[in-house]
Amino acid sequence: QVQLQESGPGLVKPSETLSLTCTVSGASITAYSWTWIRQPPGRGLEWIGYIYYTGTTKYNPFLSSRVTMSLDMSKSQFSLKMSSVTAADTAVYYCARDITGIWGIDFWGQGTLVTVSS
Amino acid sequence: DIQMTQSPSSVSASVGDRVTITCRASQGISNYLAWFQHKPGKAPRSLIYAVSTLQSGVPSKFSGSGSETDFTLTISSLQPEDFATYFCLQYKSYPRTFGQGTKVEI
Repeated sequence: QVQLQESGPGLVKPSETLSLTCTVSGASITAYSWTWIRQPPGRGLEWIGYIYYTGTTKYNPFLSSRVTMSLDMSKSQFSLKMSSVTAADTAVYYCARDITGIWGIDFWGQGTLVTVSS
Repeated sequence: DIQMTQSPSSVSASVGDRVTITCRASQGISNYLAWFQHKPGKAPRSLIYAVSTLQSGVPSKFSGSGSETDFTLTISSLQPEDFATYFCLQYKSYPRTFGQGTKVEI
């Protein structure tokens, strides 16, 4: 069974950088697109972007200037960094696997709440 | 971006009821539509992809239909474990976009 688990600080100060890691088990990270999604309190899900196993990335334009994703195949992990955070970046952050093609997103992590506050 | 409009935002139902949830896309997405179930504190669970294909292990009480812009998730004979939030996802194009979710309550 494929499992994903997010980890990282639950509290980040405004203007600092949010850093999260997703650890994948039960599947090889050397395939597919590895995706970050978030849900601000009381709002809908927002797709942040993905990193393909080759290292190619694609970000949502509304966040692309602040987002960087990376892969660590040796640890079966992928990561998200978001710079210059504000309170509007407070959200539950999810990692997920996107098979692309007709299959889409199949497995998700349970999410981690990140609060931006001083 | 493709906008996904999901309705209703919540529905009250009883065990044994049939529930229908709809998603409308702002432009045609062919059959690149998936449905998920989400319970608090848990990972969202994929139920259906490609409009109507059940993920492995998903019971047949879940069914999906539609094409291009109008899609439906039907849950027949609700059971206690089905009370959750359901949302749709379009993956025809980037950025991926989601419906706002439907909370199925007792």
